[in-house]
Amino acid sequence: QVQLQESGPGLVKPSETLSLTCTVSGGSITTYYWTWIRQPPGKALEWIGHIHYSGNTSYNPSLKSRVTISIDRSKTQFSLRLNSVTAADTAVYYCARGGGKVGAELYWGQGTLVTVSS
Amino acid sequence: IVMTQSPATLSVSPGEGATLSCRASQSVSNNLAWFQGKPGQAPRLLIYGASTRATGTPARFSGSGSGTEFTLTISSLQSEDFALYYCQQYNDWPRTFGQGTKVEIK
Repeated sequence: QVQLQESGPGLVKPSETLSLTCTVSGGSITTYYWTWIRQPPGKALEWIGHIHYSGNTSYNPSLKSRVTISIDRSKTQFSLRLNSVTAADTAVYYCARGGGKVGAELYWGQGTLVTVSS
Repeated sequence: IVMTQSPATLSVSPGEGATLSCRASQSVSNNLAWFQGKPGQAPRLLIYGASTRATGTPARFSGSGSGTEFTLTISSLQSEDFALYYCQQYNDWPRTFGQGTKVEIK
């Protein structure tokens, strides 16, 4: 059974960098798209971006200038960095696996709340 | 691609059926998924490929449509079905979600 688990600070100061890691277990990290999605309190889901095992990335244009997603194949982890955060970046951040025969994100982490506040 | 869901809220009695709509601003072929969201839980994939139930999705959930118009039908609502529902297109980048339909108890 594929499992994903987010880790990282739950509180980030404005203008600083949000960094999260997703650890994948129970399945291969090859072939699929490894995705970050967020949900601000009371708002809809927002796709942040994803990285393929090959290293190819795609980002939401609304965040592209501030986002970097990377992958560590040896550790079966992938990471999110979001620069210059503001209160608007406060959200539950999810990592997920997409692609393959299903296409959409079938497996998700439990989510982690990141609050941007001084 | 902008995904528009309607209605925003649907009030339904247990045992009744519900129909949720999702419209794409341009064709997404059949690359459309439906997710169920509950407070404190990760979204759950219900339907992909517009009409294929994901493993574990009850048969009372069915999806239809292609191109720009899609529908999620719940044939007989159970207590666990009262939740938020999101559509997502994965035909093009960036992937985009609709704003969600809340299915509440009438």
